[in-house]
Amino acid sequence: AQSVSQHNHHVILSEAASLELGCNYSYGGTVNLFWYVQYPGQHLQLLLKYFSGDPLVKGIKGFEAEFIKSKFSFNLRKPSVQWSDTAEYFCAVRRDYGQNFVFGPGTRLSVLP
Amino acid sequence: GAVVSQHPSRVICKSGTSVKIECRSLDFQATTMFWYRQFPKKSLMLMATSNEGSKATYEQGVEKDKFLINHASLTLSTLTVTSAHPEDSSFYICSARDLGTTYEQYFGPGTRLTVT
Repeated sequence: AQSVSQHNHHVILSEAASLELGCNYSYGGTVNLFWYVQYPGQHLQLLLKYFSGDPLVKGIKGFEAEFIKSKFSFNLRKPSVQWSDTAEYFCAVRRDYGQNFVFGPGTRLSVLP
Repeated sequence: GAVVSQHPSRVICKSGTSVKIECRSLDFQATTMFWYRQFPKKSLMLMATSNEGSKATYEQGVEKDKFLINHASLTLSTLTVTSAHPEDSSFYICSARDLGTTYEQYFGPGTRLTVT
C-alpha cells in the first residue's frame, strides 16, 4: 500500500531561521505531490503542488518544495520563517489525477518570536 | 480559489443519537467528494469517496451502516453518523474534487463532533 512519511513530528524554530520539512512516499509510479498547511483552528490550505515539469515548485507565503524522483522525496522549504508560520504541515500524495490523496502524519511547526 | 463549506462547524450530541454533516461546493460542481476523519494530533484518514448519484465507496474498516453518505447533487454531500458513541467524537473534514482544474481537491473547514 502507498504510504507517506514525514520525518519530524514537531519542529521548533526561532523567527528568521530556515525551514526544511521532509516528506517521502513509497509509490514508484507517476505521482502528484502536495503540501497543505493547517493553521490553529483553521481548515487545510494548499501551499503548493507538483504535477510535472520543473521539480522546484514555488508556493504561497514564500514556501517552496523540491521533487527528487530518485529519492521519492518532496521536501518543503522556507528560507526565513515567521511566527505566523506556526501550524501543522501535511504532505500528500496522489497516484494520478483520479486517485485519492494519501496524507502524511503531519509535522507541527512552532516558531518562537 | 474554490470554496467548500461544511455545516455545522461544531456539534455536540448525546450517545445514541444521529448527526448529519453537510458538505457543499460553493462555486464549482463536484461529482466526487471525499470524507476524512482527523483524530487529535493525527493526520487525515480517508473514510469514503462519495460519487454523485451512486453509492459511496468506503475505506477498509469504516462501517458503511454507521457512516451514511449521500451525494444527491453536484454541490452537496452529507455524512450522517448514526447511533453515535463517544468514540465517534472527532474532526470530520470533507473535500470536493473540481474536474475543471486537473482534479484539484478543495477542503472544507471541518466539523468538530463531540458525543457525550
